[in-house]
Amino acid sequence: NAGVTQTPKFQVLKTGQSMTLQCAQDMNHNSMYWYRQDPGMGLRLIYYSASEGTTDKGEVPNGYNVSRLNKREFSLRLESAAPSQTSVYFCASSFRDSIQDEQYFGPGTRLTVT
Amino acid sequence: GQSLEQPSEVTAVEGAIVQINCTYQTSGFYGLSWYQQHDGGAPTFLSYNALDGLEETGRFSSFLSRSDSYGYLLLQELQMKDSASYFCAVRRDTGRRALTFGSGTRLQVQP
Repeated sequence: NAGVTQTPKFQVLKTGQSMTLQCAQDMNHNSMYWYRQDPGMGLRLIYYSASEGTTDKGEVPNGYNVSRLNKREFSLRLESAAPSQTSVYFCASSFRDSIQDEQYFGPGTRLTVT
Repeated sequence: GQSLEQPSEVTAVEGAIVQINCTYQTSGFYGLSWYQQHDGGAPTFLSYNALDGLEETGRFSSFLSRSDSYGYLLLQELQMKDSASYFCAVRRDTGRRALTFGSGTRLQVQP
C-alpha cells in the first residue's frame, strides 16, 4: 500500500497563476483533509471532506477550492496564487469511525509563490 | 477563538525522560492527539486521549485532564531519533473529525 500520495512534491508559481494539488489514498478511508503548514507553525485546516460528495470549509479556506473526485482522491485548487499562499501543503485521510482518530498524512507539496 | 499552547523548544539528553505539555482553549472538545514530525517529513500519529488518564504506547505515554484542559506527552528512554517536532491537536466535535493543531514543540535530544 502506498498510503497517501501527493503530487507534485515541489512547485513554484508566479502571482496570479493557478494550479491543482493532487492527493490520493489507497486505505479505503472515508474522510480526507487539506492542511497548510507555515514555517515554525502547526498545521491549519483548509478544507475537509467527511465522505465522497461532501466538502466543508476549515480555518483558512479563502483562496482555495476543493474537489472530492471519488473515495480515493481529493484535490486542492489555487485559482489565483498569492505570495501569502507560500507554504507546505499536506493531505491526510482517516476512517470516519476510527476510535483512535488517527490521521495519515501524505509527504507534502512545497509551494512557493513569487 | 481556538488556542493550544505548547512550549516552543525542549532539550534533553539521550536516555532521559521528557514531558511536553499542552493546554487548550477550544469551543468544544472531543479528544486530544499527539503527532510527531521530523524535519522535512510528514506528521505521524503517536497517541490519542478522549478520556482522563494515561495512555501508554511503548516508550511514549500521553495524559489528559479534561477538567484542567491540559494534556502532556511523556517520552522515556530518549533516543537521538526522537529529535523532532511534537504537536498536540484537538478534535472539537463528534461529527467533524478535523483537527486543530498547536504550534509544536521542537525536541532536541543531545548525546
